[in-house]
Amino acid sequence: GIQVEQSPPDLILQEGANSTLRCNFSDSVNNLQWFHQNPWGQLINLFYIPSGTKQNGRLSATTVATERYSLLYISSSQTTDSGVYFCAVPRSNYQLIWGAGTKLIIKP
Amino acid sequence: IAGITQAPTSQILAAGRRMTLRCTQDMRHNAMYWYRQDLGLGLRLIHYSNTAGTTGKGEVPDGYSVSRANTDDFPLTLASAVPSQTSVYFCASSPETGGIYTFGSGTRLTVV
Repeated sequence: GIQVEQSPPDLILQEGANSTLRCNFSDSVNNLQWFHQNPWGQLINLFYIPSGTKQNGRLSATTVATERYSLLYISSSQTTDSGVYFCAVPRSNYQLIWGAGTKLIIKP
Repeated sequence: IAGITQAPTSQILAAGRRMTLRCTQDMRHNAMYWYRQDLGLGLRLIHYSNTAGTTGKGEVPDGYSVSRANTDDFPLTLASAVPSQTSVYFCASSPETGGIYTFGSGTRLTVV
């Protein structure tokens, strides 16, 4: 089945730094979602991005479907950006396959 | 505020007891899902529902059952809880299957 790999597994940055998180997937997909899980466990959908680039404030995401990867960019990091970032792709209409996540710690 | 409400937020349950986790959404989403999240194992799909009146099994359905009597509610029942069902349970919904997900705040369940 389709495999989803995220890198790096852990990232520690100072506040204000920029970061790039990567999501590779092993097969062609028709959509991809990025999520943020904050330190209190809440999961928030960041982007639904099957291809191209989207921006939302300090966050942006790019998916290159033909090369089977997606990137999440975080600029001018804030402590509230800390948490785990997941990407997920559909294996079928109902089931998302999740990456293992990137744990991001932003130090003040 | 539109979204998903899960209850309870946390629960300690004796092994062998029956438990229903509640999930209600007010976004009129067609699809709903139950996941469990365990350290080191990520999110795993337990059951899903594409639309009211239909349900299906996900990746780890054993020991769990669901029903979808209407669009808004999607309860998850543990018929006879076991310690391996200790986990954080998330309910989610999307306008259509595979669409943009919205998650509830989760239920932390401990089976002792």
